[in-house]
Amino acid sequence: GNSVTQMEGPVTLSEEAFLTINCTYTATGYPSLFWYVQYPGEGLQLLLKATKADDKGSNKGFEATYRKETTSFHLEKGSVQVSDSAVYFCALNYNNNDMRFGAGTRLTVKP
Amino acid sequence: ETGVTQTPRHLVMGMTNKKSLKCEQHLGHNAMYWYKQSAKKPLELMFVYSLEERVENNSVPSRFSPECPNSSHLFLHLHTLQPEDSALYLCASSQDAGGTDTQYFGPGTRLTVL
Repeated sequence: GNSVTQMEGPVTLSEEAFLTINCTYTATGYPSLFWYVQYPGEGLQLLLKATKADDKGSNKGFEATYRKETTSFHLEKGSVQVSDSAVYFCALNYNNNDMRFGAGTRLTVKP
Repeated sequence: ETGVTQTPRHLVMGMTNKKSLKCEQHLGHNAMYWYKQSAKKPLELMFVYSLEERVENNSVPSRFSPECPNSSHLFLHLHTLQPEDSALYLCASSQDAGGTDTQYFGPGTRLTVL
């Protein structure tokens, strides 16, 4: 069945460090892929998405490329800030009735 | 207001209480969802509504009862809950169900069952 696996956290980085959070997926067909972010005490906010192979989603300095050959959608940011501290969720949507989320990766950025 | 709103933001209830969670979306979407987010577990899809009709019920106990009176409002009625039902309940909406549209989430209701 469809599933998402993302790297376990927590991840702790210093400000301005490079961030990578790995995400791989298993799916039939051609799903859309998403990264959501959850700040403390809040719901999930869409960070970026890609709807087909080789698409690159980007927002707020974050990027992720839909790699069909490696079934991956890794999240990257060149220089993290303290305000990026949050939990990040990779998600796969093949059918809105059955959207699958990863377990989440907690990121803490220290000044 | 824009986006997806949920009330209340926090709720504490006893096991014999009856309460309701409310969700409202201001995006003109046709599909709405309830999710449960427990500590250290992936999000669990509970219910899906499309144009006010339930299209998915993922083996959720009957003590959770959803209601969708129109495409903008979604309720989750709670009765005789268990302590293990304590979690963050998230509502989401998308343009349509059954596709790959982006789902937009509300801030959630933090539920504590004593």
